[in-house]
Amino acid sequence: GQQLNQSPQSMFIQEGEDVSMNCTSSSIFNTWLWYKQDPGEGPVLLIALYKAGELTSNGRLTAQFGITRKDSFLNISASIPSDVGIYFCAGRGSNYQLIWGAGTKLIIKP
Amino acid sequence: EAGVAQSPRYKIIEKRQSVAFWCNPISGHATLYWYQQILGQGPKLLIQFQNNGVVDDSQLPKDRFSAERLKGVDSTLKIQPAKLEDSAVYLCASSFSAEQYFGPGTRLTVT
Repeated sequence: GQQLNQSPQSMFIQEGEDVSMNCTSSSIFNTWLWYKQDPGEGPVLLIALYKAGELTSNGRLTAQFGITRKDSFLNISASIPSDVGIYFCAGRGSNYQLIWGAGTKLIIKP
Repeated sequence: EAGVAQSPRYKIIEKRQSVAFWCNPISGHATLYWYQQILGQGPKLLIQFQNNGVVDDSQLPKDRFSAERLKGVDSTLKIQPAKLEDSAVYLCASSFSAEQYFGPGTRLTVT
């Protein structure tokens, strides 16, 4: 079946640093979605990508739909304390089912 | 625009008891999803409704889990009887297109 590999699993960051995370798939996706989940809450949609090569920004967040349609990247510029949380990628293929990554946990260094 | 509503937010039950969760999707969203999220993992789809019909329930443990969306709006998910491994957050989401919007979830603890 379809699988998503999301990396890194966790990141320790200093406030002000840029952050990058990515997801790769064993098969082609038509849609990539990036979500953030805070403790005790449901995932919140950050960015949706629909075309190969598409680059979309939402404030300090930028995500790209890979040219091969098997990967996607999320970058956060100038991180702030409220960026802490778990980021999930999710991809949708031809069967319309959403496949989820295992998440990247962002932690601020003390 | 009101988001996806879920209740209760927390539930603690003993194993072999039954429990039900309720979800009210965003107005106008025809598709409704129930997910199970184990701590440290991504959400796992249990069942997907399109209006009041089931589109995908391939990962729903049908011997103990059931879900309905009788009028194509609200939905309930039931577990009967609960097992220890059912301890998780149960998320409801709705969508108009590919973008799914989630409720706050119900945290279930089975003791």
